[in-house]
Amino acid sequence: DAKTTQPPSMDCAEGRAANLPCNHSTISGNEYVYWYRQIHSQGPQYIIHGLKNNETNEMASLIITEDRKSSTLILPHATLRDTAVYYCIVRSQGAQKLVFGQGTRLTINP
Amino acid sequence: EAGVTQFPSHSVIEKGQTVTLRCDPISGHDNLYWYRRVMGKEIKFLLHFVKESKQDESGMPNNRFLAERTGGTYSTLKVQPAELEDSGVYFCASSQVTRTTNEKLFFGSGTQLSVL
Repeated sequence: DAKTTQPPSMDCAEGRAANLPCNHSTISGNEYVYWYRQIHSQGPQYIIHGLKNNETNEMASLIITEDRKSSTLILPHATLRDTAVYYCIVRSQGAQKLVFGQGTRLTINP
Repeated sequence: EAGVTQFPSHSVIEKGQTVTLRCDPISGHDNLYWYRRVMGKEIKFLLHFVKESKQDESGMPNNRFLAERTGGTYSTLKVQPAELEDSGVYFCASSQVTRTTNEKLFFGSGTQLSVL
C-alpha cells in the first residue's frame, strides 16, 4: 500500500472548518483513500473514504486532487469533540488490513 | 446495535504471567482484526480472521501470542508468557465481508495491557 504523509499537528478554532491535508504521491490506480480518527482512550473511528471523486457524508468531506496525489479531509464546523488524531490511509482493493501512520493530532480550541 | 466490545478494558500483570484478551465483534461481522499500539509507536496490525479461519497473521510478533476464534464469533488473544515490551493498547475491529472490499472497520475501545 502507498505511503501517506501528514502534518504531525494542527490547530483549529471551534466553529471553523478544519482542513487536514494528506500527501499520497505514490498512490496507484486501484488504491482508495481512507480517513479514520482516534479520540483519546477510544478505538479508531471510520470517517470517510474515496477513490477519485470527492465524497461527503454526515461527518466530513473528502477532496481528492485530480492527479490523486493528495487529498484533504474537511470538518465543516469543528467542535471540541473533534479533537483527535486523524489518520489518512491508502488501501488497495483487495487488501484487508489498514496500515496506520503517525497521523495528524488536531486540536480544536474554544 | 452493540458495537465491538473488548474485555477487560485494563489489565495489569507481572512479567511471565499469562493474559487473555477477549473481543466480541458486531453481530454478523465475519471479519475480525487485532491491532495494537505500544508506547510511542503507531497502531500496528496483528492478524485477521474471516469467520474462524486466520486469513493473515503476518503481524503477530512472536509465538508468545496466540489468537483464536472458535465458532467464528468472539475472539481471544492470549499472551504467554507476557514480557515488558507487550505493554500497550490492544484493539479489536470487525467488518462485514462484502463484494467490493470497500469495508469500514469498526473498532472496540481497546484493552490497556500493562506488564510490570
